[in-house]
Amino acid sequence: DIQMTQSPSSLSASIGDRVTITCRASQYISTYLGWYQQRAGKAPKLIIYAASSLEYGAPSRFRGSGSGTDFTLTINGLQPEDFATYYCQQSYSTPRTFGQGTKLEIK
Amino acid sequence: QVQLEESGGGLVKPGGSLRLSCAASGFSTSDYYMSWIRQAPGKGLEWISHISGSGTTIKYAESIEGRFTVSRDNAKKSLYLQMNSLRVEDTAVYYCTRVRGYSGYEEEDYWGQGTLVTVSS
Repeated sequence: DIQMTQSPSSLSASIGDRVTITCRASQYISTYLGWYQQRAGKAPKLIIYAASSLEYGAPSRFRGSGSGTDFTLTINGLQPEDFATYYCQQSYSTPRTFGQGTKLEIK
Repeated sequence: QVQLEESGGGLVKPGGSLRLSCAASGFSTSDYYMSWIRQAPGKGLEWISHISGSGTTIKYAESIEGRFTVSRDNAKKSLYLQMNSLRVEDTAVYYCTRVRGYSGYEEEDYWGQGTLVTVSS
């Protein structure tokens, strides 16, 4: 199975900040990677697919990059609604593994 | 619009069984893979299975293989998860998702609200 490792596990930031979350795959996955946002008590929501494509309806302050084994999610100009937990998921092979999550909290 | 609604969750004793359903609307279910993904209380997301639009291709996570069975009925626009030999560690919110696929890429583009399964004596 492909292991996905996110860092950091938690992050404190302020409104307007720029933050970066990283996701590393245990083996090559090309750009078969998605990022999901999960607000407290809600179902996850897709925000980035194919490593760098912005999902329709997701704000343009979200940016994904990377290929191979190393990926990043950057949020430029944090808004109150961005404080949530973020997960990466690989779709290169089954099982479709997720990272352990990064909880983004207000400083 | 696309909607997914899970049902069938509840409290069950260890070793018991439960069947979850997911009712889909707003799209042609036979055109899409669908997945089950679960989340234990306070924990992260765990992909457990997906099934092709025709139902002929099914994959399972090792943690549930041999105990859980996924099926679908496209005429009823429904996805199912039959869970047998349940364990305490199966306690989780279970989500059904639609899998959008193109050019080899796949992502879970729509999620239901989830249904809670609690396995406890």
